[in-house]
This record gives sequence, structure tokens and C-alpha cells, in this order.
Amino acid sequence: GQQLNQSPQSMFIQEGEDVSMNCTSSSIFNTWLWYKQEPGEGPVLLIALYKAGELTSNGRLTAQFGITRKDSFLNISASIPSDVGIYFCAGPTQGGSEKLVFGKGTKLTVNP
Amino acid sequence: DVKVTQSSRYLVKRTGEKVFLECVQDMDHENMFWYRQDPGLGLRLIYFSYDVKMKEKGDIPEGYSVSREKKERFSLILESASTNQTSMYLCASSSVGIADRAFFGQGTRLTVV
Repeated sequence: GQQLNQSPQSMFIQEGEDVSMNCTSSSIFNTWLWYKQEPGEGPVLLIALYKAGELTSNGRLTAQFGITRKDSFLNISASIPSDVGIYFCAGPTQGGSEKLVFGKGTKLTVNP
Repeated sequence: DVKVTQSSRYLVKRTGEKVFLECVQDMDHENMFWYRQDPGLGLRLIYFSYDVKMKEKGDIPEGYSVSREKKERFSLILESASTNQTSMYLCASSSVGIADRAFFGQGTRLTVV
């Protein structure tokens, strides 16, 4: 089935640093989603991307939909301690767009 | 405020017990999902329901069953719990055709001893 390869698996950074993570697939996606899961909570949608080449921001977060439609990246600028969590990329599965496939996640730790 | 509510945050059950995980949504969504989350493996779909009494197997349905008798409620059943089912379980819901607007519950951390 479709798979999303997310990297890095984990990141340890200092407060104030910028963060970049990405997601790739061998399949084309028509929608890319980025979720954040804080410790002890369920994932929450951060950004949704619908067009190849699209660049979308949500506060200090910026995500881009790759031109090939096979990748996406998420950047976080000037990280703060509350950015801690697991970030997942996701997209609707082919032939059944009611379901989402998720990457394995990037676990972000921010040291104050 | 939209809500997906899972009945328990933490559960400890014994091997062989029948376990019910309950999920309720208040958004009148047609679709409901059960995922399992394990470190390094991300979210894996166990079962999906697109309507009352309708269900579809996900990627890892073995050892699980589901029930959807009412639109707002989706239950995950472990017929005979085993230690390898110790995990975080996440419920989600979405409207038809709007998979990208899935809302998640807070999760149930199940430990089988």
C-alpha cells in the first residue's frame, strides 16, 4: 500500500532554532496534511495543502506541497518549548480518499 | 467546539479479557476510525466505519472487531486481549469527502498485563 516516509525520526534542538522536517512518497498525493500531537493528546491538524507548489503558513509554521506531488516539508521558525510533540504528515489514500495514511512521525524536543 | 471523546484515558486489563474502547463524536460525521499508535510506527488504521453498521478493515484488523450501532458512537473490541495489544488507541471522525478534516480523540492508553 501507500507509504509516507518521514524524516528525521527525532530532533533535539535549542529554543530559538529553526526546524525542518519532510515527508516523501513513491505515490502521488493530491492533498498533504501536517498534524501535531502533543504529549498525552490526540493529533491536531496544523496545515492542509491542496495544490502542487503551494506554500502555506500558520504562524511560525510553513509547509509546502512539492511540485512532483510526492513530497512535502514543514518548517518551524524560532522554536519555543511548546513546539514539543510528534509531527505527522498524512494524505488521503488512493482509491479510498475517506481514509488517511500517516507517516511515522518526527518527534521534536526543544531544550529551553 | 467540536469533539471526539474516548471513554477512558488509561486502561489496564488482563490477558484474555474482553475489552471495549468507546468513542463518541458530536459532529454528525459519517466516517469514524480506530487507529493504533506505537513508537516508531506512527498511526496504523485498525478499522474504518463509513455509516451505521458499516465497517471496513484497515491495515491491522487482526485481533480486533468493531461495532457501530449509532452514528455518533464507534466501539473497538478486543475479543481476548493479549500483551502485544498494549498500545495507544486513537479514535477519529470526519465527514464524507472531507478526509483532511479528521478530528481525533485524546487517545486511550491500554496496558494488557
